[in-house]
Amino acid sequence: AQTVTQSQPEMSVQEAETVTLSCTYDTSESNYYLFWYKQPPSRQMILVIRQEAYKQQNATENRFSVNFQKAAKSFSLKISDSQLGDTAMYFCALANFGNEKLTFGTGTRLTIIP
Amino acid sequence: GAVVSQHPSWVICKSGTSVKIECRSLDFQATTMFWYRQFPKQSLMLMATSNEGSKATYEQGVEKDKFLINHASLTLSTLTVTSAHPEDSSFYICSARDRAYYEQYFGPGTRLTVT
Repeated sequence: AQTVTQSQPEMSVQEAETVTLSCTYDTSESNYYLFWYKQPPSRQMILVIRQEAYKQQNATENRFSVNFQKAAKSFSLKISDSQLGDTAMYFCALANFGNEKLTFGTGTRLTIIP
Repeated sequence: GAVVSQHPSWVICKSGTSVKIECRSLDFQATTMFWYRQFPKQSLMLMATSNEGSKATYEQGVEKDKFLINHASLTLSTLTVTSAHPEDSSFYICSARDRAYYEQYFGPGTRLTVT
């Protein structure tokens, strides 16, 4: 069974600063996908970024980028130039190739301070 | 982008009654949909996987007779909470997987309150 661990229950950062959210995972599979989802106060889950494990290049989406360390089973999310709208719960998730289920971490509550 | 809707967004029912929640993929076909439950300030807990035209697969510990799931078409899955009790009060979220990709697109959720 796979597991996803987020060791930072809460974080806060000043607006415009950079923040990094940590995620580690464990899976016995070699092919898998990793995701970061955002859940703002509206509770709508929004996909932030995805990473295929077979790709060495780290995924980037505008201000969001990941640091994927496959050997260490680490998948951190970096948010640059943080904005007030980034305030939300952030969930790291894993899906093994061929198995559609997502395994979620416990989440990190991120607050951007004006 | 892919849009998933849920209806209703909030429902209050009396203990012992049943309530149905609909999940629709609006602009793509979803052969697989998922139902989650989320308690306040907690992560999402997968309840079941719903496949179009076949029986749902329930996670361990989820009562299949209590949480009835039907996936009648490529764009619609329903969750019926039967004989609801106050402990069933929760936030229920569905998601749909686009055939082409591995990410799941989530509905806005349904808040169920059982009195």
